[in-house]
Parts: sequence; C-alpha cells; structure tokens
Amino acid sequence: AQSVSQHNHHVILSEAASLELGCNYSYGGTVNLFWYVQYPGQHLQLLLKYFSGDPLVKGIKGFEAEFIKSKFSFNLRKPSVQWSDTAEYFCAVNAPEAYGQNFVFGPGTRLSVLP
Amino acid sequence: ETGVTQSPTHLIKTRGQQVTLRCSSQSGHNTVSWYQQALGQGPQFIFQYYREEENGRGNFPPRFSGLQFPNYSSELNVNALELDDSALYLCASSTQRYNTEAFFGQGTRLTVV
Repeated sequence: AQSVSQHNHHVILSEAASLELGCNYSYGGTVNLFWYVQYPGQHLQLLLKYFSGDPLVKGIKGFEAEFIKSKFSFNLRKPSVQWSDTAEYFCAVNAPEAYGQNFVFGPGTRLSVLP
Repeated sequence: ETGVTQSPTHLIKTRGQQVTLRCSSQSGHNTVSWYQQALGQGPQFIFQYYREEENGRGNFPPRFSGLQFPNYSSELNVNALELDDSALYLCASSTQRYNTEAFFGQGTRLTVV
C-alpha cells in the first residue's frame, strides 16, 4: 500500500524567509504527485502537480517542487514566504495504474508565518 | 472556487444516529471521491464512485456507504455514528483520465456527541 510522510508537523518562519517542506512516498511504481494547501476555513486548493517530464514543477503563488525519483521525494519550496502563506500544506500521491484515482495524503505540515 | 459544493457545512449528531452528506460535482466530472479528515490529520480516502458505481474503497467499515446519481452528484451515508466519526468530510470531483487532479469542496464538519 502507498503511504506519504511529511517531515515537519509545524513550521514557524518570519516573512521573507525561505521555505522547504519535505514529502516522501512509499510506492515504487509510476505516481502522480501533488501539493495542496488548506487556508483556515477554506477548501483544499491545488498548489502544483507532477505527472511526468521536468522534475522541477512550478505552481501558483511562487511555489515550486522537485521530484527526485531515487529518493521517493517531492519537496515543496518557496524562496520568500509571506504572512498570507500561513496555512496547512498537504502532499498527496496517486498511482492510477495500481490503485485507481484515489489520493493518499500525508499528515500535513502547518506553516505559520510571522509578520 | 472549485465548482464543488457540499451540504450541509456543519452538522451535530448523536452517537448511534445516521447521517447523509451531499456533494455536487464540478460540471463535466464523472468521478466523485469522499475523504475523511480528522482534526490534525490528512484526508483519508473513504471511497470513490464512477458512473454511479463504487470504484474503489479505503479502509472504512460498511456502515460508510454512498451513492452517485445520474447527474454525478453524490451522497455519503454513515450509519450507527460513533464519536470517532467526528471529522471534516471532503468530497472531490475528477475525471477518469489518467493524469488528472481532483477538485475539492469546502467540506462538511460533522460532530458526533
């Protein structure tokens, strides 16, 4: 079965600091990879996705992620965070060939950005 | 907005009762998935429906059941509610295309007392 782990439960940064959130998954076959963000009281929003091709993926709001297949990792980065980035971040994986279209989510990382 | 709407937004039920949650999918999406998000955790896959039939199920007991209608809207039913069923229930709509993303509703916050 697939599983997804996220390295940090809670990250606290000051505005303008750089961000890297770790994500690792367990499945060895072909996967699609996603980062979702959940702002307080709002629905899950897609930040970025990787299906194939360039392992460096750019998403919305200045976020990017790098897929490193050998490390089963898909870490999220942002060079300079803003107070408005305060939210919960979820890494998710699906493996359509093996498990269909359902998503396996990590436990989430809460990001707090101090003004 | 994602075009996926869920109702109700909040609900309080008593242990042992039954509950029905509803989801309206994004236009053109024929697949709906339901997830349970307990406090402080990531969403957990409950099941998925494609063209009105269950198309995959996570590790949830049979008292969690669902329906998908011809217009692709969906219901999640939970019987014999337990305190641990208290969670945010998320609906996601998508297609069956290979490389696809899911669009999530805002969720229904269920509290079982």
